[in-house]
Amino acid sequence: DAGITQSPRYKITETGRQVTLMCHQTWSHSYMFWYRQDLGHGLRLIYYSAAADITDKGEVPDGYVVSRSKTENFPLTLESATRSQTSVYFCASNEPGGRYEQYFGPGTRLTVT
Amino acid sequence: AQKVTQAQTEISVVEKEDVTLDCVYETRDTTYYLFWYKQPPSGELVFLIRRNSFDEQNEISGRYSWNFQKSTSSFNFTITASQVVDSAVYFCALSDSGAGSYQLTFGKGTKLSVIP
Repeated sequence: DAGITQSPRYKITETGRQVTLMCHQTWSHSYMFWYRQDLGHGLRLIYYSAAADITDKGEVPDGYVVSRSKTENFPLTLESATRSQTSVYFCASNEPGGRYEQYFGPGTRLTVT
Repeated sequence: AQKVTQAQTEISVVEKEDVTLDCVYETRDTTYYLFWYKQPPSGELVFLIRRNSFDEQNEISGRYSWNFQKSTSSFNFTITASQVVDSAVYFCALSDSGAGSYQLTFGKGTKLSVIP
């Protein structure tokens, strides 16, 4: 199906474990983004990517790692999960120069115990 | 630095009432984009509207209307004759072309509850 998908949709993990959240888009958008949503904070940018092999930090990058070897995929890895990383994670993509709005995936609810 | 303020944390209205959600933004750029997104209880983020900084025309789409005023740095959203299906969290967001990132800066959202 066309669009942007995230997996898993729900994940429970333990403190200290590594976990990877996947994001896949079928539009061939050049830009992709990872946000986290927390009560009282709205959505905050973790990392973004302007193209394959080009990534940069957002507002809250600490504790996260990203990669983008292919245009359509943008995985987010928590190298050693902490309870403070319990959140809902949204992936988004857009194509500046075309339509500037970002289109969001359905989100991944991550709980770190 | 960019900033978006949605001063109303929660609003409750009775069905069929009109309601306005406020959004005030800060940016140093002269070219920027403003957005509204809706997040219903199911959790997905739904794009509603985009407005360019050089286009101050108000926009109406059905029961939804948006008032963009550069003089007051505001981009307010009005729902006319609200319905229960309008119950959601609404986010205002700002994007500029600074550093070419096109990242969105979100307000903290306004939770709208429409009571039957």
